[in-house]
Amino acid sequence: ETGVTQTPRHLVMGMTNKKSLKCEQHLGHNAMYWYKQSAKKPLELMFVYNFKEQTENNSVPSRFSPECPNSSHLFLHLHTLQPEDSALYLCASSQDLRDSPLHFGNGTRLTVT
Amino acid sequence: GENVEQHPSTLSVQEGDSAVIKCTYSDSASNYFPWYKQELGKRPQLIIDIRSNVGEKKDQRIAVTLNKTAKHFSLHITETQPEDSAVYFCAASTGYNNDMRFGAGTRLTVKP
Repeated sequence: ETGVTQTPRHLVMGMTNKKSLKCEQHLGHNAMYWYKQSAKKPLELMFVYNFKEQTENNSVPSRFSPECPNSSHLFLHLHTLQPEDSALYLCASSQDLRDSPLHFGNGTRLTVT
Repeated sequence: GENVEQHPSTLSVQEGDSAVIKCTYSDSASNYFPWYKQELGKRPQLIIDIRSNVGEKKDQRIAVTLNKTAKHFSLHITETQPEDSAVYFCAASTGYNNDMRFGAGTRLTVKP
């Protein structure tokens, strides 16, 4: 299944670097999400976009900056990250916000050194 | 806000046995309860979901039960196979994905 594609698959960055994660969905969905997955912790919802408009920002530090230029693309811009930000970052999409299953990408494994 | 607790964190069963994973939630307004399976190195995928107007739902070897009074729901896998080995996540929401909360996951290992 290639419905939701994330790049890169792996990323190693220093604390002073700036990098971006990319997500693209080919499912015609209207809502897109960023989740953070850390070992032995629940998936943490970071940002939600519905029809390109941000509807949720779960108290995420400003060093994470999302961008949604259209309903098919979602970016997560990273700058001055901390080692504790190392995790798997998952993008997901759904038809809409309500009663609609999430379709996840394979994630970007981020390591901050 | 919603809080979802999931148990056990790890579960090991013999091939052919049944596996049960339990979740509890705190928000009585929650009415949608999906289960996701994540194989090693792969994306989470929805395997079954249940809404609060039903108490049980089955799909071949997997079933989910919901007890709204007690605010808990469970995943049942019968006749387990090695390919069932994965991490399983429960979740709960009021029907809107932006308030969905996930459990911490259960790592299921099925021994051949």
